[in-house]
Amino acid sequence: LAKTTQPISMDSYEGQEVNITCSHNNIATNDYITWYQQFPSQGPRFIIQGYKTKVTNEVASLFIPADRKSSTLSLPRVSLSDTAVYYCLVGDADGGSQGNLIFGKGTKLSVKP
Amino acid sequence: EAGVAQSPRYKIIEKRQSVAFWCNPISGHATLYWYQQILGQGPKLLIQFQNNGVVDDSQLPKDRFSAERLKGVDSTLKIQPAKLEDSAVYLCASSFLGTGANVLTFGAGSRLTVL
Repeated sequence: LAKTTQPISMDSYEGQEVNITCSHNNIATNDYITWYQQFPSQGPRFIIQGYKTKVTNEVASLFIPADRKSSTLSLPRVSLSDTAVYYCLVGDADGGSQGNLIFGKGTKLSVKP
Repeated sequence: EAGVAQSPRYKIIEKRQSVAFWCNPISGHATLYWYQQILGQGPKLLIQFQNNGVVDDSQLPKDRFSAERLKGVDSTLKIQPAKLEDSAVYLCASSFLGTGANVLTFGAGSRLTVL
């Protein structure tokens, strides 16, 4: 049962790059790392997913070191609209029990003008 | 594609009353999840369906909560009788497969207030 640890909150200013790190020391061989974003009064929304090294899409980058015990979500040039809660999840590719889809408390990112 | 539909968006009831929430997942998604999100916390998985069968309901308070997914499409979550601590947002999500590597698509949620 992989658990994740993230900072409770982070502050940033518009235009800056924000890096949010998630620790998952007990990650298993088959586990993928997925990040979600949640705005108030909305359900979480998928941002990015990776297994190892680096993944980049139009929204963010995900950096995963070789030991995979942590991962870093990188948001380039944040804007006020990036103010949200960000969740890191680990889950395996084989499916099955509830341990795959556990949300922690997430990181509340506040972007200031 | 259409998203995950949930209703009602808001519901206010008194304790000991009952309430039901409805969810229609994305077409073709075999797996459906119900999460409970209490203010300030992350979503907590209540139940996971694969088609119309239950994969995991270990966190569902079965003395008062029930859920069904007839015909493997839409689903209903019921609470009877409600307690004050059931005040939360109930999120429905669906995915193509029920694995941790699959992306979940969430609905907007149903906010329950128990007085």
